[in-house]
Amino acid sequence: NAGVMQNPRHLVRRRGQEARLRCSPMKGHSHVYWYRQLPEEGLKFMVYLQKENIIDESGMPKERFSAEFPKEGPSILRIQQVVRGDSAAYFCASSPSGTSLYEQYFGPGTRLTVT
Amino acid sequence: DAKTTQPNSMESNEEEPVHLPCNHSTISGTDYIHWYRQLPSQGPEYVIHGLTSNVNNRMASLAIAEDRKSSTLILHRATLRDAAVYYCILRDGNFGNEKLTFGTGTRLTIIP
Repeated sequence: NAGVMQNPRHLVRRRGQEARLRCSPMKGHSHVYWYRQLPEEGLKFMVYLQKENIIDESGMPKERFSAEFPKEGPSILRIQQVVRGDSAAYFCASSPSGTSLYEQYFGPGTRLTVT
Repeated sequence: DAKTTQPNSMESNEEEPVHLPCNHSTISGTDYIHWYRQLPSQGPEYVIHGLTSNVNNRMASLAIAEDRKSSTLILHRATLRDAAVYYCILRDGNFGNEKLTFGTGTRLTIIP
């Protein structure tokens, strides 16, 4: 059973461009979470999605950031008009259920660098 | 979410046991204690979790105080591969509270 897959692993964007980060959850998992880790800082929750629904977006910046998890295909985290402060590692996690009894399985992350 | 407190860093010799403490004095009755770790340049990985009783798995043991206000993650025989940041996280067992709230964790250094 393949683990959580994220691509690209590394992404370089110039200021003002768009960044699209993809996450394919583990097979059979319908719950996806996105976290961000700024340089030398801890992981911060961004958004929690189920298929076609955003359940909790309390950690998402109010502007330029959006996330989706369509019925078919990977979850996408989209950052419009990137700025230097968006440079970070973005991790996706999945779980088979939304209850706290199940662990979250993390992908290897996408490291975004904004130049 | 209830808060956890961990030492910023710890060191241990290779092949010796490691005890990583966590204080959670405001834990509620429905909070599960979860431990994750993050190896350098990798995503976090689940280690273990428990509610009231001590727990063992292939990676580690979790010892939970009787009053549940503290817990200890035990690595029985540390290897260099165990060098990581270890996070103690409380998760509400009621359905609907799903995110992981990471603190600063404990950076564990293993001395060869």
